[in-house]
Amino acid sequence: QKEVEQDPGPLSVPEGAIVSLNCTYSNSAFQYFMWYRQYSRKGPELLMYTYSSGNKEDGRFTAQVDKSSKYISLFIRDSQPSDSATYLCAMRGMGGYQKVTFGTGTKLQVIP
Amino acid sequence: NAGVTQTPKFRVLKTGQSMTLLCAQDMNHEYMYWYRQDPGMGLRLIHYSVGEGTTAKGEVPDGYNVSRLKKQNFLLGLESAAPSQTSVYFCASSQTSGLPPDTQYFGPGTRLTVL
Repeated sequence: QKEVEQDPGPLSVPEGAIVSLNCTYSNSAFQYFMWYRQYSRKGPELLMYTYSSGNKEDGRFTAQVDKSSKYISLFIRDSQPSDSATYLCAMRGMGGYQKVTFGTGTKLQVIP
Repeated sequence: NAGVTQTPKFRVLKTGQSMTLLCAQDMNHEYMYWYRQDPGMGLRLIHYSVGEGTTAKGEVPDGYNVSRLKKQNFLLGLESAAPSQTSVYFCASSQTSGLPPDTQYFGPGTRLTVL
């Protein structure tokens, strides 16, 4: 079983829809939870992060972490065609050098 | 700042040939990483470095070697390429501080095909 599981999609939604992207994980030592966005033929870039449990909002994006369920989510409100990309969740523990574990990514397409 | 750059962007090799991928960063980051990305497998860490002159193995190091002679550069070598090494290779770098710790900044990738 992988440490981080992510539905690969693809997920296709109409413009303006609310998108929910999710990851589950098995390692209870993870403390930092990140979402990277990767456009086609580009490198991933950090979109948002949360520390431990709770929610974090940044514009149209909201990241949620439920450590009791080992489940994290990224919500995109009022989705735009420019949101079409692959979204990778990533996680790491605390202290010193820690390996970052990435999900396999969910491909999102927002249809105009 | 150019950030993280990778050379070359594309390469086609024949089985058994060797090559070196170059990664350069201008952010004075301590840590550098090499990943490969394959469909359905996500990003897998090949090797990493926590400072100039240091290297360490990641998840999938077999068939690859690395060197970090200068802080800003991280080289990935394939001594005898195999078709299984056909992939997109990403270099990344991170600083030791900040939030979240070790935020990784990625290069644009190198698309390698081994025939």
